[in-house]
Amino acid sequence: SSELTQDPAVSVALGQTVRITCQGDSLRSYYASWYQQKPGQAPVLVIYGKNNRPSGIPDRFSGSSSGNTASLTITGAQAEDEADYYCNSRDSSGNHLFGTGTKVTVL
Amino acid sequence: EVQLVQSGAEVKKPGESLKISCKGSGYSFTSYWIGWVRQMPGKGLEWMGIIYPGDSDTRYSPSFQGQVTISADKSISTAYLQWSSLKASDTAMYYCARTAMDDFDYWGQGTLVTVSS
Repeated sequence: SSELTQDPAVSVALGQTVRITCQGDSLRSYYASWYQQKPGQAPVLVIYGKNNRPSGIPDRFSGSSSGNTASLTITGAQAEDEADYYCNSRDSSGNHLFGTGTKVTVL
Repeated sequence: EVQLVQSGAEVKKPGESLKISCKGSGYSFTSYWIGWVRQMPGKGLEWMGIIYPGDSDTRYSPSFQGQVTISADKSISTAYLQWSSLKASDTAMYYCARTAMDDFDYWGQGTLVTVSS
């Protein structure tokens, strides 16, 4: 199916680890990229490719993939990581699609 | 420094036309795709389509095909998103973003479009 499904919300204690997942058939063929969006701001790319971080993204962000599931892990979550996170990939037609989004709350 | 600068907020009436813009700078505008993304109030990101300014190759999401037109003027490093007849349901924030085809590495600041009678 041409959908990328994410859990609507997750919470994590300050300094702990949280994993955000993205499920979809297209992930068997394409890597996911991950975007962080804070209220009132444009999305920011945090992970792309197999597990690459753009310049300026802290190394507590990492990505992985297995089968039809891609994951974004935040190791040692900080208060500033509280945001919405979206995965993105390509579908069987080569078009892009975004995941449904996950709201991360840092307690 | 790579930058995508979008045109300002718009308030329109249903049935009116609109064209918003996204100007790229700091890189070779004709060597990357520009994508458009919709975010309705309180909702998630939706991919609308992309254009390659080098040759104007354009792809649309099936959800937006026929509803909008994406274009680009490479002479002024600007991509466009346009509507011929706006609906209230077009009210949203619209982002442009640069891509080499897989990930969107730079984003514009967004253009808020409000359609209301």
